[in-house]
Amino acid sequence: DTGVSQDPRHKITKRGQNVTFRCDPISEHNRLYWYRQTLGQGPEFLTYFQNEAQLEKSRLLSDRFSAERPKGSFSTLEIQRTEQGDSAMYLCASSFSGFTYNEQFFGPGTRLTVL
Amino acid sequence: AQTVTQSQPEMSVQEAETVTLSCTYDTSESDYYLFWYKQPPSRQMILVIRQEAYKQQNATENRFSVNFQKAAKSFSLKISDSQLGDAAMYFCAYRTSTGTASKLTFGTGTRLQVTL
Repeated sequence: DTGVSQDPRHKITKRGQNVTFRCDPISEHNRLYWYRQTLGQGPEFLTYFQNEAQLEKSRLLSDRFSAERPKGSFSTLEIQRTEQGDSAMYLCASSFSGFTYNEQFFGPGTRLTVL
Repeated sequence: AQTVTQSQPEMSVQEAETVTLSCTYDTSESDYYLFWYKQPPSRQMILVIRQEAYKQQNATENRFSVNFQKAAKSFSLKISDSQLGDAAMYFCAYRTSTGTASKLTFGTGTRLQVTL
């Protein structure tokens, strides 16, 4: 297992277009998280799944954002009608809830640029 | 809601010297976890060290150690014998230990430069 992977690594889109990002967690991890990181800031929580259930969503996750984890494995994050303010790094992380620390392992991120 | 504050946007240390990064947090909970993450330039975030709030003993991982002051809500990171590879953004993070809540709350980060 090579860790958490994300695809694509970079995405440039025009305002108003829809984009979709994919995250593949570490295989035995049952929890998957999405964070957003803007320049000069720490990551901000968006949402997380335990298996296929979406257990928590941040108020940052507007109705233009939707996340899925249909079979409890990979997850997708879709942004509809992108805005310039959506430009950020989108980070995915995974963890196993059975471990004491529930340590989150991060992927390399998808950098979104909205023109 | 919990908040995490890192008041040092940038720090610099000479190779082989020691540096301390500061972090304070605000919470009404008594049990929680604290973490320091490292984010090298253009590379993914990795965990450096972690601390459980109920443990009085400060965590240590090789050259990295923390000074956890629960009453003061302070969680500083000390890097000893600094190396060039330590240059990165460092983020302090908080996580509750109750219920199914699992998200990390991060500070704004400290950029560490390591000079020769």
